[in-house]
Amino acid sequence: QAVVTQEPSLTVSPGGTVTLTCDSSTGAVTSGHSPYWFQQKPGQAPRTLIYDTTKKHSWTPARFSGSLLGGKAALILSGARPEDEADYYCLLSYSGVFWVFGGGTKLTVL
Amino acid sequence: EVQLLESGGGLVQPGGSLRLSCVASGFTFSGYSMTWVRQAPGKGLEWVSTITDDGGTTYYPDSVKGRFAISRDNSKNTLYLQMNSLRAEDTAMYFCAKLRDDFWGQGTLVTVSS
Repeated sequence: QAVVTQEPSLTVSPGGTVTLTCDSSTGAVTSGHSPYWFQQKPGQAPRTLIYDTTKKHSWTPARFSGSLLGGKAALILSGARPEDEADYYCLLSYSGVFWVFGGGTKLTVL
Repeated sequence: EVQLLESGGGLVQPGGSLRLSCVASGFTFSGYSMTWVRQAPGKGLEWVSTITDDGGTTYYPDSVKGRFAISRDNSKNTLYLQMNSLRAEDTAMYFCAKLRDDFWGQGTLVTVSS
């Protein structure tokens, strides 16, 4: 089955912009993969930030956005805040038959 | 208020079985697909299984196919995960979730060890 790859760790300065990416071993990520992005803080259950590539929940801060960039799914954080420090996971759907999480990105705001 | 409450985790020996339950409230459970996700200690998230709203179709990754079985009882608003032939690598926190709507339980811990 497919392997989904994310950056293991990234650092962003407060107020800065960072892009997290999600790559598929089977080829370019498209909207057909219905990319999800999840945020998880220590000791907590994950939360769904983004679904279907770009869609947000009411609780998703406006500084987060999802897109497709260069054949990958991307989560863009513009104006990072200390509370954004967390682990971020992407999830891709393969023909609606199986789903694969990326290994996660540990984001440090420093 | 939406709630997903998992139960049934615990310590089990390798080769043993366990059944997890997830009771849902605050939304129309019977109208949606549901998913189990797990997370081994200190590791990332892993998709475990998904079931359609009517229970008619189920999906699994190769890592659990043939050993785990997802099911649901819409009359009881309850999702299940029957886990057989458990291995040490199945040790994890197991979450039930409706991913699209950001409905997540707090998880139940399964430990497979002799």
